[in-house]
Amino acid sequence: DVKVTQSSRYLVKRTGEKVFLECVQDMDHENMFWYRQDPGLGLRLIYFSYDVKMKEKGDIPEGYSVSREKKERFSLILESASTNQTSMYLCASEDQGNYYEQYFGPGTRLTVT
Amino acid sequence: AQSVTQPDIHITVSEGASLELRCNYSYGATPYLFWYVQSPGQGLQLLLKYFSGDTLVQGIKGFEAEFKRSQSSFNLRKPSVHWSDAAEYFCAVEGGATNKLIFGTGTLLAVQP
Repeated sequence: DVKVTQSSRYLVKRTGEKVFLECVQDMDHENMFWYRQDPGLGLRLIYFSYDVKMKEKGDIPEGYSVSREKKERFSLILESASTNQTSMYLCASEDQGNYYEQYFGPGTRLTVT
Repeated sequence: AQSVTQPDIHITVSEGASLELRCNYSYGATPYLFWYVQSPGQGLQLLLKYFSGDTLVQGIKGFEAEFKRSQSSFNLRKPSVHWSDAAEYFCAVEGGATNKLIFGTGTLLAVQP
């Protein structure tokens, strides 16, 4: 069974802290994505990656960076957390031979105080 | 630019009743269209997809959707709703050359006993 895991379900951080959100997939998928989900706004793409060490900006990359050192792991980094980054963060992976069928992790609800 | 509109933020139906969730898209050519479901506390799961061919597509969990080019719609239907269908439903369209998914804002479905 396919699986995408995220390091934390709930996270509380203080303004200005550096925050790491980790995502791991066990399906050998090439593509990985980070979204944030906010009520009334749906899912918005932050960053995505088509390969190890490759990254592309999504629609709302400001205030975020990513790292993909291994194929199975895609990290989202908030360099200096701010209260407007309080949100649900969803990671997804996708097989390049099966575009758009994305497999999602359960999400990390991040609160920045 | 491609976009997706889900006009209903929240819908309540009785268990056993039929369901139709609306989705309208904006796209220059024949779009690839998707419905995802997010059960409480979980990530999104693909219900069904339309790429081409038969405009009525069948998905998992007894759901179906019909592509209507003339109405720019891709509505999701189920003839008899179960309590376990209570979830948030997202329509999505592929983002053209970027191979990204563009999600709607979601419709939250509540099921009354």
